[in-house]
Amino acid sequence: GQQVMQIPQYQHVQEGEDFTTYCNSSTTLSNIQWYKQRPGGHPVFLIQLVKSGEVKKQKRLTFQFGEAKKNSSLHITATQTTDVGTYFCAGRYGQNFVFGPGTRLSVLP
Amino acid sequence: ETGVTQSPTHLIKTRGQQVTLRCSSQSGHNTVSWYQQALGQGPQFIFQYYREEENGRGNFPPRFSGLQFPNYSSELNVNALELDDSALYLCASSPTSNTEAFFGQGTRLTVV
Repeated sequence: GQQVMQIPQYQHVQEGEDFTTYCNSSTTLSNIQWYKQRPGGHPVFLIQLVKSGEVKKQKRLTFQFGEAKKNSSLHITATQTTDVGTYFCAGRYGQNFVFGPGTRLSVLP
Repeated sequence: ETGVTQSPTHLIKTRGQQVTLRCSSQSGHNTVSWYQQALGQGPQFIFQYYREEENGRGNFPPRFSGLQFPNYSSELNVNALELDDSALYLCASSPTSNTEAFFGQGTRLTVV
């Protein structure tokens, strides 16, 4: 079956440092979405990437979709304490979205 | 707020019982998906409904079933509850099946 892996599982950074999480699929994806979930909260949509090699930016967040549409990354520049949470990628296979296990980010002030 | 509401917020059931969880989609959204999220894990896709028809299903047994109503609200039914069914159940609505999903706050189900 389809599998989506994410690394690292946990990341602890000092406020102001950069952060990157990587998402890998065993098979080619139709598209990929990224979500953020705060502790005790629900996933909140961040972005959707569709095209091979696509790069999108949202303020301090940069999202990339690999050329083969099998991997993706989320990079946060100069982290802030408000960035704390778990970041999930979700790959689309047909009508199904498969979520990765997430990367839990903690930011030390 | 996403405009997606789920009820109840918390529920405790006994093994073997049946449960119905409810979701009210955001206005104008004709697609609803249900996910199961165990503690410390990512959401697992259960199924998706589009205009009252099941439009995709994850790797869940038939005792997980659903409905979508003409007003696009939805139900998730789970029969013969097992201890491993204890999880956060999330409903997400979308304008179409291939766009961003707006999640509700979830229903925390505990099976004892």
